[in-house]
Amino acid sequence: NAGVTQTPKFRILKIGQSMTLQCTQDMNHNYMYWYRQDPGMGLKLIYYSVGAGITDKGEVPNGYNVSRSTTEDFPLRLELAAPSQTSVYFCASGWTGRNTEAFFGQGTRLTVV
Amino acid sequence: QQPVQSPQAVILREGEDAVINCSSSKALYSVHWYRQKHGEAPVFLMILLKGGEQKGHEKISASFNEKKQQSSLYLTASQLSYSGTYFCGTSTVQGAQKLVFGQGTRLTINP
Repeated sequence: NAGVTQTPKFRILKIGQSMTLQCTQDMNHNYMYWYRQDPGMGLKLIYYSVGAGITDKGEVPNGYNVSRSTTEDFPLRLELAAPSQTSVYFCASGWTGRNTEAFFGQGTRLTVV
Repeated sequence: QQPVQSPQAVILREGEDAVINCSSSKALYSVHWYRQKHGEAPVFLMILLKGGEQKGHEKISASFNEKKQQSSLYLTASQLSYSGTYFCGTSTVQGAQKLVFGQGTRLTINP
């Protein structure tokens, strides 16, 4: 049982390049999330999904896109990378319900230069 | 709107107690507490639901004052392993899909 797995762990992008951050979970959770965490700051929600085929914007969605074709996978796409997107990205998953908690992946550290 | 945590940082000696507060200007359904060690992912501690529930886990407990929209995390007889940054995440709806996190409280425990 691997939990939430993110790849890659580190990446350096040049301004204007694109990339996809991969996230997969093996706990059959219906909810999945993408957060970004800037140095010394809290987590900000980028996008979330309540199930396959359903996604919705969070606090900071601009510059990102997501898709959820399966329960397990929730990739985050960065188009035209900008220095402001330098951050640590966390994927998380969880169940619906009153007491749901989020299980986080180990993060992807992205630098845009 | 982002909840406000206080204090921003605290330094303790092993065995001392700490209280971390989380306040929101919105009517909350739940407050979620996470701990993050440097370079690692956040780890879930507990959830407080509206209704003023107080929950505990060993020497870490928390309360939720629905009237004040404030939650407090209590760390009793702190251990070295408690060091890290504590985040509260607040939600105005059931579930964790719309969590808004505070800026964090950095807790350092010295021997």
